[in-house]
Amino acid sequence: SAVISQKPSRDICQRGTSLTIQCQVDSQVTMMFWYRQQPGQSLTLIATANQGSEATYESGFVIDKFPISRPNLTFSTLTVSNLSPEDSSIYLCRCGGQNTEAFFGQGTRLTVV
Amino acid sequence: KQEVTQIPAALSVPEGENLVLNCSFTDSAIYNLQWFRQDPGKGLTSLLLIQSSQREQTSGRLNASLDKSSGRSTLYIAASQPGDSATYLCAVRGGSQGNLIFGKGTKLSVKP
Repeated sequence: SAVISQKPSRDICQRGTSLTIQCQVDSQVTMMFWYRQQPGQSLTLIATANQGSEATYESGFVIDKFPISRPNLTFSTLTVSNLSPEDSSIYLCRCGGQNTEAFFGQGTRLTVV
Repeated sequence: KQEVTQIPAALSVPEGENLVLNCSFTDSAIYNLQWFRQDPGKGLTSLLLIQSSQREQTSGRLNASLDKSSGRSTLYIAASQPGDSATYLCAVRGGSQGNLIFGKGTKLSVKP
């Protein structure tokens, strides 16, 4: 199993600012994933982050809005840039490859005012 | 395109009841299926992982089954407790990247 520490757990941010979310895994993992969960909705994949390469973004998500860093095999950050109220969501990171159990961080609840 | 559906969307039961949550998926070419629990405003806690070659998995009062050919899974919760109140999500994994496709969840309320 893997334990992911995600920070911050929640934040309230002003429009136009940015928020950076961190995820630290207690073991080395090849792939990390970032999700968004809008109010009342299920999870939507934002991007997949492999160490040493550019993140792969899903349709509808772009690097300028959601830059991701993956400096090593235990750490990743997601930045949500130029915030608007529509970005108010829960953001989650996860690890776990194709055949292994998926583990999630505790989530970051973002409110944009 | 894989689609995952969970029925019912919400369920309220008295404490002590046994209950079944349903999950269906449209593409049977999956690697595995995983059930999660999510408390309000929080992250996801993994409950059970069923590989595509397996029929069921058990953990305590939880039992999950998988019928890959018919595209169905069920999560059985025995002797429900108020602490079981949460949203339960199922997700299937397919594709080379191990992407998880989620259902919208079943919101369970267990009343004392």
